[in-house]
Amino acid sequence: DADVTQTPRNRITKTGKRIMLECSQTKGHDRMYWYRQDPGLGLRLIYYSFDVKDINKGEISDGYSVSRQAQAKFSLSLESAIPNQTALYFCATSDPGTGYYGYTFGSGTRLTVV
Amino acid sequence: SQQGEEDPQALSIQEGENATMNCSYKTSINNLQWYRQNSGRGLVHLILIRSNEREKHSGRLRVTLDTSKKSSSLLITASRAADTASYFCATGLRNTGGFKTIFGAGTRLFVKA
Repeated sequence: DADVTQTPRNRITKTGKRIMLECSQTKGHDRMYWYRQDPGLGLRLIYYSFDVKDINKGEISDGYSVSRQAQAKFSLSLESAIPNQTALYFCATSDPGTGYYGYTFGSGTRLTVV
Repeated sequence: SQQGEEDPQALSIQEGENATMNCSYKTSINNLQWYRQNSGRGLVHLILIRSNEREKHSGRLRVTLDTSKKSSSLLITASRAADTASYFCATGLRNTGGFKTIFGAGTRLFVKA
């Protein structure tokens, strides 16, 4: 099984619909992140969580919300999807407390809003 | 410009040649990381170099860091068709808000067989 699992892998939804993207990890990492990738823009941070009780906005949080249900689970919601939220979404984990700052990424969710 | 900017944006080489990608950044960093992304897939961590290090190796990968020039380079030696991917640098920063990592826009590498 993958260390970081994202579901669904692909999703097409209509404008105005609520949609949830889910992420689960088996790394045992405290820190989890949601990123969005658009062509030519690299990765942009949406939300991040350093533990179950800690949720922080990233650089592009408007229109998104998150829930950290457990150490291993971090979900991203689009309350009312709009076409410019069409993108590739990645969940990632890290554990800098071990002295290692690398990120482990999921395989991504390709979201299309029509 | 972004904190981490890769150069070139795209690179096409023949199998067996070396590929060099560069990353420039603007502020002081704690570490710099390189990631690979195969088309439409998640990013895979390749190597991390700390701010007090100048060079690191991992297999066919060589990363250098010049903090005086605020730049890093990733060298892939004896490239293979399987190295075709996008490569991202990510700068690890420590500031008053805590620790954060910022990703660049990537270099697309195409290795022709």
